[in-house]
Amino acid sequence: GAGVSQTPSNKVTEKGKYVELRCDPISGHTALYWYRQSLGQGPEFLIYFQGTGAADDSGLPNDRFFAVRPEGSVSTLKIQRTERGDSAVYLCASSLLAGGLYTGELFFGEGSRLTVL
Amino acid sequence: EDKVVQSPLSLVVHEGDTVTLNCSYEVTNFRSLLWYKQEKKAPTFLFMLTSSGIEKKSGRLSSILDKKELSSILNITATQTGDSAIYLCAVVNDYKLSFGAGTTVTVRA
Repeated sequence: GAGVSQTPSNKVTEKGKYVELRCDPISGHTALYWYRQSLGQGPEFLIYFQGTGAADDSGLPNDRFFAVRPEGSVSTLKIQRTERGDSAVYLCASSLLAGGLYTGELFFGEGSRLTVL
Repeated sequence: EDKVVQSPLSLVVHEGDTVTLNCSYEVTNFRSLLWYKQEKKAPTFLFMLTSSGIEKKSGRLSSILDKKELSSILNITATQTGDSAIYLCAVVNDYKLSFGAGTTVTVRA
């Protein structure tokens, strides 16, 4: 596609429910990132994929959070037993290579706004 | 742990004013510093800085990195209402961006 696409754009759920957020990166981009942005904060790193594998998942806050990228393209961020503190905008970004990052070529999607009631 | 601090957190100016935004950082294995503009949801890329003392310029925006002081500034001259946004500073450590909290700039007509 022309840009990074994220769905849904908005998701409202109840505490304790399971949620999936999807990211469709720019075609051919091998590196994919998930960030979380709370109100008044900058984006916080969650996980980085290079191809199909999670090269760095050190930012995932706990084991309720999990992400996959089975074919090296689309990625899904999964959140189990959601809590009110999970409410935030979840941003996905992609780049051509990990090295592509050094030229500033990290393209962000519009984000998925998650609200946990 | 990598740390990126931006100041001020917010400011309000009038059209035509000049603003200066600050970013300081502490990071292992520094590679580059990036500035982004965030108006609604997706941050959009402004500048990447890798070398100290070399100014990057794009229209009314400019930025410079000081590696000795571990800091960067972003200047916006002759501000317009369309410059109202959150400006994010991020530092690249290997493959990962670490962001500051951002500076919210509001430009009043």
